[in-house]
This record gives sequence, structure tokens and C-alpha cells, in this order.
Amino acid sequence: DTAVSQTPKYLVTQMGNDKSIKCEQNLGHDTMYWYKQDSKKFLKIMFSYNNKELIINETVPNRFSPKSPDKAHLNLHINSLELGDSAVYFCASTQMTTNTEAFFGQGTRLTVV
Amino acid sequence: GQQLNQSPQSMFIQEGEDVSMNCTSSSIFNTWLWYKQDPGEGPVLLIALYKAGELTSNGRLTAQFGITRKDSFLNISASIPSDVGIYFCAGNTGTASKLTFGTGTRLQVTL
Repeated sequence: DTAVSQTPKYLVTQMGNDKSIKCEQNLGHDTMYWYKQDSKKFLKIMFSYNNKELIINETVPNRFSPKSPDKAHLNLHINSLELGDSAVYFCASTQMTTNTEAFFGQGTRLTVV
Repeated sequence: GQQLNQSPQSMFIQEGEDVSMNCTSSSIFNTWLWYKQDPGEGPVLLIALYKAGELTSNGRLTAQFGITRKDSFLNISASIPSDVGIYFCAGNTGTASKLTFGTGTRLQVTL
């Protein structure tokens, strides 16, 4: 049973397109996150949601819009994709907002051409 | 903003050797975590540290929360081929569950 699962694992798309990445966790956690890992493997938080409510937004361009239909799901929609958006995007979850032990998904490798 | 610097950036060691890596910060952290990332996978939590001076082990891995709260260390004893991967430290200031990640240490183990 996968604890944090993301789809798709790979996504190749053209500049200007709109795409979505989906994430689901079956751990019963209250808080979910999106992290971005660049080509140098640097990991940086983008968003955090607690029980469907946005609590962290790390100055990410507004082309990126997270949506949490329920506390087990956090999707990431990206409008007007740019070459610089190419990266690996990781979904993660923690039991609560105050808990720091994050469990990560397998990642979605986004390539914009 | 906060930055976590890890060293060394990469290591090439022989199977059976012990490994040490560290992570330093310009800010104080309340929590230190160590993760390992295999190719094509997400980071997996190895050890979590919550108190300054704390020393915690997980099998062949031992990590310490520095007493200044600005650094942490990870040691791997008797390395094996499956230890290959990228090791990340991560810290949290306690104001939210946001993790700040280090720059990573890439470990290669040769037979």
C-alpha cells in the first residue's frame, strides 16, 4: 500500500500548456505539501495545506494553484507552463501542522519543451 | 532566508567504511531530520531529532542534534552498496511544519 501517491510519474508537455499533478495520501494525515526539486537536487517547499486550508505559500508564481478537495488529496495545477518549470515535484504529508516528520511521494518529473 | 549547507557535497567510499556528513545553518532550528533519496524516488525519513545534544540511532545510522542548534551530523557505520543515494538534512524552526532542506550529500559505495 503506497502511503503518498502521485500521478503521473512523468509529464512531458509544451510551453504554454496547462497541466495538473494529483496527490493522495492514505496515512490519515491532516497536512499536505508540495515541494519542488530542481536539477541540482535542491528541495524547496511550495505550498502547505492543513485539512483543506492553505497555510503556507512560498512566493510561488500564481500560475501554480494548489487545490485540496479533502484532507487526503492535494492537487497542483500549473497554467501557462514555462521552460523553467521543469523539475521534479514532490507531494508530502505530515500528521499535523505542528509535526515535521514528512512522508514523501515518488515525485512527478515535469519536462517542459 | 535560511540556508542549510551540507558537507561533503559528495563522497566515494569503499564498502565497509564508516561515513560522516554534516549540516550547518545560519539560524537556530528546533528540529533536525535526515532523509535519504534513491534515484527516481522521493526522500525517505531516516532519523528525526528534537532536542539539542540528542543522539539517535537507527540501525547503522546515528545522528546528532548539535548543542548550538545550528548543526547536525549523520554517521553511517560499515557502509553497504544499498547505502548509495543522496542524503539530505532538513530543519524546522517550529513556527510551522515547513522544512528547509540542505544541499545534499551524494554517497557512492564501491565494492
